[in-house]
This record gives sequence, structure tokens and C-alpha cells, in this order.
Amino acid sequence: TQLLEQSPQFLSIQEGENLTVYCNSSSVFSSLQWYRQEPGEGPVLLVTVVTGGEVKKLKRLTFQFGDARKDSSLHITAAQPGDTGLYLCAGDGDSNYQLIWGAGTKLIIKP
Amino acid sequence: DTAVSQTPKYLVTQMGNDKSIKCEQNLGHDTMYWYKQDSKKFLKIMFSYNNKELIINETVPNRFSPKSPDKAHLNLHINSLELGDSAVYFCASSQEQAGGYEQFFGPGTRLTVL
Repeated sequence: TQLLEQSPQFLSIQEGENLTVYCNSSSVFSSLQWYRQEPGEGPVLLVTVVTGGEVKKLKRLTFQFGDARKDSSLHITAAQPGDTGLYLCAGDGDSNYQLIWGAGTKLIIKP
Repeated sequence: DTAVSQTPKYLVTQMGNDKSIKCEQNLGHDTMYWYKQDSKKFLKIMFSYNNKELIINETVPNRFSPKSPDKAHLNLHINSLELGDSAVYFCASSQEQAGGYEQFFGPGTRLTVL
């Protein structure tokens, strides 16, 4: 069974600080996605990483896919209150069309 | 225009009742999903349809029955509602493409069973 473990589960920091969220597995994934979910809404895709070692940047967010394609990280530089939300990682499952979801990291950025 | 829409947004009902949630996507995607998100925010796949055919049917009580009248619609009917069914239910759609496939989510239906 493929599993994705996210850490930390919860993070509350001050505006301007940096943070890293991790998504780890013992399984290899062909691609991995990061989503952000805001209260009262559905998750929205931030990025998809496909190649081992790949790094993608989205403004202050940096996403990295591990060389072995078993893990990924999300680094936020100078966090803003607008970054508050639930961050979910999801990997391509064994069967077509199915994503394996991590349990999420709830991030709160205090002004 | 809303890409994936769900109705209703909120649903409060008594135990034992039967209720339906409707979902529509205007993205032209072939695949649609139902997810349950519990109070701990874990997103659990329930069902998936591809071109109106059931392709994912996870271990859910048979009180839950999905129906896809066409590839733009996926409805969820729940019989004999129980307290443990209280959760947020998300509909999503996707289209396979190179490098994986993004799932587009609806706004969710918050179901409260009293």
C-alpha cells in the first residue's frame, strides 16, 4: 500500500519567517502534486513535480522532488498571512486516475 | 464560470434520512471523483468515474451510491444517514495529460447529521 506522510501536521509561525513542509514515502511516485486548501474551499493545485531532483519555484514557494522520487518538500520564504491554509501533497497511485494523499500540514501565519 | 460546482453547499439532516449531493463540471474532463474529508482534514477517495464508468470504488458502506448520468455530472446519494457520515464531501474532476493530471475540486458540501 502506498502511503504519503506529511510533517509537521501543524505549524504556526510569525509573518516573515521561513518554513519547510515535508512529504515522505517508501514508495516511488511518477509525479507528485502540492495543493493548498483554504477554509470553506476545495484544494487547489500549486505545482506538479515529475523528475527526480526537480526544483520548481512559485514566487516565495520552492518545491523539490527527491532524487529517488519518494519524497518532496515545500519551502516558503518570508511567509505572509495569505499563505495560511492546509497544504496537501498527493502522488500518482498504482492505479490510473487515483492520487495517494498525505494527511496535510495546517499552516498558520500570524501577522 | 465555475469549473466544478456542487449543490448544496450545506446540508443538515436527521439520522435515518436519505439525501443526495449533485456535482457538475464544465471542463470537459473524462474523470470525476467523490472524496470525503473528515474533521481531521484527511481527504479520502470514495468513488471515481471515467466516461460514466465506475473505476474506483473504495471501501465505503453500500448506503453510498454514486451515479453518473453523463461525463459532466456525478451525483452521490446516501441512504439511512448516520452520525459518522458528517463530513465535507468534495467532488473533483481531472483529465490525464503528460506529467500527471491535476484534479479540480468543487467547493465542498458540508453534511451534518443530527
